[in-house]
Amino acid sequence: ILNVEQSPQSLHVQEGDSTNFTCSFPSSNFYALHWYRWETAKSPEALFVMTLNGDEKKKGRISATLNTKEGYSYLYIKGSQPEDSATYLCAPRAGNKLTFGGGTRVLVKP
Amino acid sequence: GAVVSQHPSRVICKSGTSVKIECRSLDFQATTMFWYRQFPKQSLMLMATSNEGSKATYEQGVEKDKFLINHASLTLSTLTVTSAHPEDSSFYICSARGPLAGDPGEQYFGPGTRLTVT
Repeated sequence: ILNVEQSPQSLHVQEGDSTNFTCSFPSSNFYALHWYRWETAKSPEALFVMTLNGDEKKKGRISATLNTKEGYSYLYIKGSQPEDSATYLCAPRAGNKLTFGGGTRVLVKP
Repeated sequence: GAVVSQHPSRVICKSGTSVKIECRSLDFQATTMFWYRQFPKQSLMLMATSNEGSKATYEQGVEKDKFLINHASLTLSTLTVTSAHPEDSSFYICSARGPLAGDPGEQYFGPGTRLTVT
């Protein structure tokens, strides 16, 4: 069983501020890293799939980086907005299987 | 595109009864679907991988006779919790493997089902 850790577990951000949080995972048997955004009562939404060491992906104000050698990924939110409030999940993939971290719960305060 | 629905969203049943949860890919065909479970304050845990037309592959510690999975078509997988007990109360969520040929193994999720066994 992979040990996937996300930190912090939760954070409060003032609207307009930028923030970032971490996903750490075992670097062995790595195939890809997935990030999802999960709003309450909705389906988890796929944000990024990252495969290569040094990968950087961006979607609007959200971006992510990947370091496969040391086993971590950062997700950044620039200029946070209330609609960014959600739980952000990371999941490394080995073969077909995703192993999820516990998530970082982000609350953006107006 | 790549929308997955799940039904029901909530279900309450009595101990000893069985409950069926449906997972559908609405706008794509999914040869592979996955079932996860989430206990309070824990992460999503993979229960089983469901392949269309064949038996599901269960993760270690998941009772295949208790959690029956059927993937009879390319758009529908069902999870039946048999003889449910209060300890089966949990949040169950499915996903379907992405439809695009170049899609790097993306999974698209349904909204989940909250099961409460009384």
